[in-house]
Amino acid sequence: KAGVTQTPRYLIKTRGQQVTLSCSPISGHRSVSWYQQTPGQGLQFLFEYFSETQRNKGNFPGRFSGRQFSNSRSEMNVSTLELGDSALYLCASSASRTQYFGPGTRLLVL
Amino acid sequence: AQKITQTQPGMFVQEKEAVTLDCTYDTSDQSYGLFWYKQPSSGEMIFLIYQGSYDEQNATEGRYSLNFQKARKSANLVISASQLGDSAMYFCAMPSPNQAGTALIFGKGTTLSVSS
Repeated sequence: KAGVTQTPRYLIKTRGQQVTLSCSPISGHRSVSWYQQTPGQGLQFLFEYFSETQRNKGNFPGRFSGRQFSNSRSEMNVSTLELGDSALYLCASSASRTQYFGPGTRLLVL
Repeated sequence: AQKITQTQPGMFVQEKEAVTLDCTYDTSDQSYGLFWYKQPSSGEMIFLIYQGSYDEQNATEGRYSLNFQKARKSANLVISASQLGDSAMYFCAMPSPNQAGTALIFGKGTTLSVSS
């Protein structure tokens, strides 16, 4: 089976812009989770989608949003980018208890 | 609150030696699971091994094994016969409490460096 894929892999944006990241889960996986990884805060859970519904949400401002499509592909959107949003954004999919991660999208906000 | 602690920021080991990466956790749940992931410099998180709190045997997956001590709330990862490709960051994780689904909380990680 193909693994989790994320696009784009690298992204440079400026403050105030918005960005959309995409994640395609492993075939058959209906749960997709998003995490932010920064040197200061480590790995933090953003949100999880299951069958097109947000099932969980972490402690992030409303500028961070996501959605899931009927084919389980997911997107996350960050509006009004801030310098502190520079991070590695990881997507993970699961069929049961174990999450399998994609390669991540490295976002740099200038 | 649920918490994962990894006290070793960095570990150094020579090829073919065994190494133990420490992980302690704090939870009030009776049933829980613990995960270990490997993150090479490329960024992808690779699932290594899982231990359930009610599993009687310590989990093993190839060269990876868990030294699970429930009373001490520790779940240390043991890597036997280290290889150069084992150089990476290693994270211990467990499901977040009070949330349905599969949200994980992670420790800060340990950087493992394997030398020849």
